[in-house]
This record gives sequence, structure tokens and C-alpha cells, in this order.
Amino acid sequence: DTGVSQDPRHKITKRGQNVTFRCDPISEHNRLYWYRQTLGQGPEFLTYFQNEAQLEKSRLLSDRFSAERPKGSFSTLEIQRTEQGDSAMYLCASSRPWAGGQDTQYFGPGTRLTVL
Amino acid sequence: GNSVTQMEGPVTLSEEAFLTINCTYTATGYPSLFWYVQYPGEGLQLLLKATKADDKGSNKGFEATYRKETTSFHLEKGSVQVSDSAVYFCALIHGNKLVFGAGTILRVKS
Repeated sequence: DTGVSQDPRHKITKRGQNVTFRCDPISEHNRLYWYRQTLGQGPEFLTYFQNEAQLEKSRLLSDRFSAERPKGSFSTLEIQRTEQGDSAMYLCASSRPWAGGQDTQYFGPGTRLTVL
Repeated sequence: GNSVTQMEGPVTLSEEAFLTINCTYTATGYPSLFWYVQYPGEGLQLLLKATKADDKGSNKGFEATYRKETTSFHLEKGSVQVSDSAVYFCALIHGNKLVFGAGTILRVKS
């Protein structure tokens, strides 16, 4: 396994601009998750895909956020009309199904977003 | 609801000291429990996990036991090293999502 990769690692943008992040999961992991981590806090769940289907979204994911996983492999997270409150580390994780139903999630290095 | 509470940091220890980081949880049912570690400039790495009551997870000298009676999953290590300096996160799984504590910063001095 090459691990979960995310791109870019850092993004600085001005308020009001749109940004898009990419996540490549571990190959053959059919589940993909997005989390957000603000300074001094633990990660908070945003959304989750199984293959190409987005199965769950947090209330944290406002209308300005959209996530896709069109072919069930990589995923993108887009934030439209960014606000300073969007500044955070955006983490991606992936997992494979497990008979016990609670599979281990493996995380990427994250994309740090700074909104000026 | 489901939540995780960790002891506040930072925790500062000398090399070879004994480490305990407390973690308690509130959950419906008996979820799997995890400790993740985040080294400076890196992403979250799974340190250890336990899937049912009385299970002990262990890795790299760290241990944690799933205590149903006290709803706890405290992290311990007998002798810390400078290289253990990092942020440690306790988490439970609720459905398909991880619920994390706020994290505990560990600083180990040589």
C-alpha cells in the first residue's frame, strides 16, 4: 500500500475564492472519508463515500461544500466562496470493508487551507 | 450522544518516564476504540485499537485496555522517548464515522 495521498498539502486563498482538494485513497479501499481539523481540536467528520455513492454528510458540510467520488477511486472536496472560518486542515481517510463492520480508517497527510 | 474526553495537555515528561493519557467515552453500545498519533508535520497514524470490552490494544510499547465498567481507554507506556513527542487522539467509531477527542500534546525532554 502506498498510503492515502492528498493534494495540495497547503493552500492559501483569499476570501470568496473557490478551492478544490483531491484525495487518492489506498488502492482497493472502497470507503473514503473527509474530516476537518481546526487548531487544537480533534478531527470532525464531514462526509463518507462507499464506492461512488455519498452515503452520509455532516451538518458541518454547508451548501458551499461539495464532495464527489465519480469513479469510486479518488475524491474531490470543493469549497465555494471561502470564508475565514473555513481555515483548517482537511483530512481524507480510506478503509476497506471488514466482516466486523467497523473497519480501520487510514489517514492522509491532510491539506492545510488558509483563507485570508 | 457519542463523545470522547481526553485529559488536557500539554503533558511534559522526561525521557524514560511512565506515561498515562486518560480517555473516557460516552457511547450507545460498545464501539471499537482507537488511539491515533499525529507527529509534527505529519498526518494521523493509527497507534492501536480495541474492538470489544477487556481487549488490550498494543503497539510500539504503548498499551490501552477497553474498560466497559469505567467507559475508559487510557493510553500507557512504560518508558517514553523523545521521539514519542506528538499529539495523541482517542477516538471511537459511531456508525461509519470516527468521533475524536480534542487531543493531548505530549512533550518528552531528554
